[in-house]
Amino acid sequence: DAKTTQPNSMESNEEEPVHLPCNHSTISGTDYIHWYRQLPSQGPEYVIHGLTSNVNNRMASLAIAEDRKSSTLILHRATLRDAAVYYCIPLNYGGSQGNLIFGKGTKLSVKP
Amino acid sequence: EPEVTQTPSHQVTQMGQEVILRCVPISNHLYFYWYRQILGQKVEFLVSFYNNEISEKSEIFDDQFSVERPDGSNFTLKIRSTKLEDSAMYFCASSEIGQGTNTEAFFGQGTRLTVV
Repeated sequence: DAKTTQPNSMESNEEEPVHLPCNHSTISGTDYIHWYRQLPSQGPEYVIHGLTSNVNNRMASLAIAEDRKSSTLILHRATLRDAAVYYCIPLNYGGSQGNLIFGKGTKLSVKP
Repeated sequence: EPEVTQTPSHQVTQMGQEVILRCVPISNHLYFYWYRQILGQKVEFLVSFYNNEISEKSEIFDDQFSVERPDGSNFTLKIRSTKLEDSAMYFCASSEIGQGTNTEAFFGQGTRLTVV
């Protein structure tokens, strides 16, 4: 499995954009980059995923570096509800099931 | 919105007792998973299940653990003889197709297991 490096914690102000980085320099060409988050006392929740191109959905945007060795999850306007631990997880698209392997993630705090 | 439901939300059991944690995955999903999270630690993969059999399991998932899909809707995790170190939050998840492809997994709210 590809190893990931994320900051342990980050802080943001409410209503401001947040950029959560992830390094995954050992990622293989067939690994999707998935992001999940875990709100306090809840199960993990899917946020977004991508392979090579930048991706947008209603929750966030995912910017993937051209060499795919890093990616950035972008929350365009942080709300208090976005305070969570965010996990970057490479997941192999190789026809096998694969399984989400969670690291320590980045704990995002949002200040009012 | 469809969701994965888990029962009970909290289970207290005595060491050595058997416990069954229950999950109802999203109805059209074919892949099912159990994860656990010891307090203050990472979410850990336990097992994946497809087509009525285990697809993958981690080192944590030893002979004390078993999974079953007893009917068309439930997915259970059984711990035969609980130990203190089994105390954790257990999450069930399901996905429409395998996680190793272009899909997302849906997690339940978890069952907090406390072994005393």
